[in-house]
Amino acid sequence: GDSVTQMEGPVTLSEEAFLTINCTYTATGYPSLFWYVQYPGEGLQLLLKATKADDKGSNKGFEATYRKETTSFHLEKGSVQVSDSAVYFCALMDSSYKLIFGSGTRLLVRP
Amino acid sequence: DTAVSQTPKYLVTQMGNDKSIKCEQNLGHDTMYWYKQDSKKFLKIMFSYNNKELIINETVPNRFSPKSPDKAHLNLHINSLELGDSAVYFCASSQGAQAETQYFGPGTRLLVL
Repeated sequence: GDSVTQMEGPVTLSEEAFLTINCTYTATGYPSLFWYVQYPGEGLQLLLKATKADDKGSNKGFEATYRKETTSFHLEKGSVQVSDSAVYFCALMDSSYKLIFGSGTRLLVRP
Repeated sequence: DTAVSQTPKYLVTQMGNDKSIKCEQNLGHDTMYWYKQDSKKFLKIMFSYNNKELIINETVPNRFSPKSPDKAHLNLHINSLELGDSAVYFCASSQGAQAETQYFGPGTRLLVL
């Protein structure tokens, strides 16, 4: 079945550092891809998405590009803030419209 | 107003008990979901309802029974609770079963002792 693999965390960065969280997927066809974020004690929120190859999703300074050739959707941000500390989930929507999530990557940003 | 709300926020109970978790959404969506997040943060769908009809039923023990009295509510009843049921349960909703954006509730943390 379809699956999503994310880099294991935690990822610890200093404020203003560059962030990359790797995500690769296995799927039949070309599923829509997502990044969701979970702040401490809260539910998941959609951060960004991309629906076809070479699309770039962006929001709040975060970006991710749908790479069909490498089946990847890596999350990047040029300058992280303490408030970005959260758990980030990569996900795809499979052919039966189910969201398949990766295992999540915890990001800790230190002042 | 909270878009997707769940009650209770925390639930501590003994093995063998029966418990329910309630979910309500005020977004006017017609599709609702239950997800389970285990201790390693791994998140997996359990059920999905569209217009009160069950459309996704993953491999979940039949001790778990979702009930949707109307489009705005999806409750989860769990019989004979086991230690392995300890997790955070998230409710979510979307406009349409094929919608790409789902809106999640704050979660219910269940601890079975």
